[in-house]
Amino acid sequence: GAGVSQSPRYKVAKRGQDVALRCDPISGHVSLFWYQQALGQGPEFLTYFQNEAQLDKSGLPSDRFFAERPEGSVSTLKIQRTQQEDSAVYLCASSPHGDSFPSTDTQYFGPGTRLTVL
Amino acid sequence: KQEVTQIPAALSVPEGENLVLNCSFTDSAIYNLQWFRQDPGKGLTSLLLIQSSQREQTSGRLNASLDKSSGRSTLYIAASQPGDSATYLCAASLMNYGGATNKLIFGTGTLLAVQP
Repeated sequence: GAGVSQSPRYKVAKRGQDVALRCDPISGHVSLFWYQQALGQGPEFLTYFQNEAQLDKSGLPSDRFFAERPEGSVSTLKIQRTQQEDSAVYLCASSPHGDSFPSTDTQYFGPGTRLTVL
Repeated sequence: KQEVTQIPAALSVPEGENLVLNCSFTDSAIYNLQWFRQDPGKGLTSLLLIQSSQREQTSGRLNASLDKSSGRSTLYIAASQPGDSATYLCAASLMNYGGATNKLIFGTGTLLAVQP
């Protein structure tokens, strides 16, 4: 079946522009995660959804970052007034179960969106 | 704050060698430890997941071990092949980090090059 897809794959924005990044998780997956990966670093957690509920947004770096998953499937990560330090690869991942299954759930990652802010 | 570190940062080996990648974490209260592979321009592919109650997992030429008491995990790759060339990342899901229990804390990765 289809895996996690993300669009666009590449985005170039001028400093100050708003951007929206889309994630289509695997159908039926309850959990959805967003991570940010800077060049040469491991991914860092941004936010977590269980169905449509945003249960953890502790990793969002500022109030310019906003994520939603209104119907419990597709998710959008929005960055307002982009800054150069926002340049990174944004990864989306989904897993079958909710937050009560931390021991066994594997996360399935999409290919990421590479954001470059000029 | 939980830290996950990986050593070495980069490794180059000739084809056919067995090799070990290391991962260490500062807080032993974990739910699981996972190893991922990342190819350039692509997302992460899960290789092995070790639950906190387990000591190791095996898949083909890969074997991952977990020692919570010492805060270490190793990924053993047997008979390496050029197709194994990629960045390998370990990640832990933590009991005491707060928020979502299944979010992952990643190391910085080991870049592996297997020379033909």
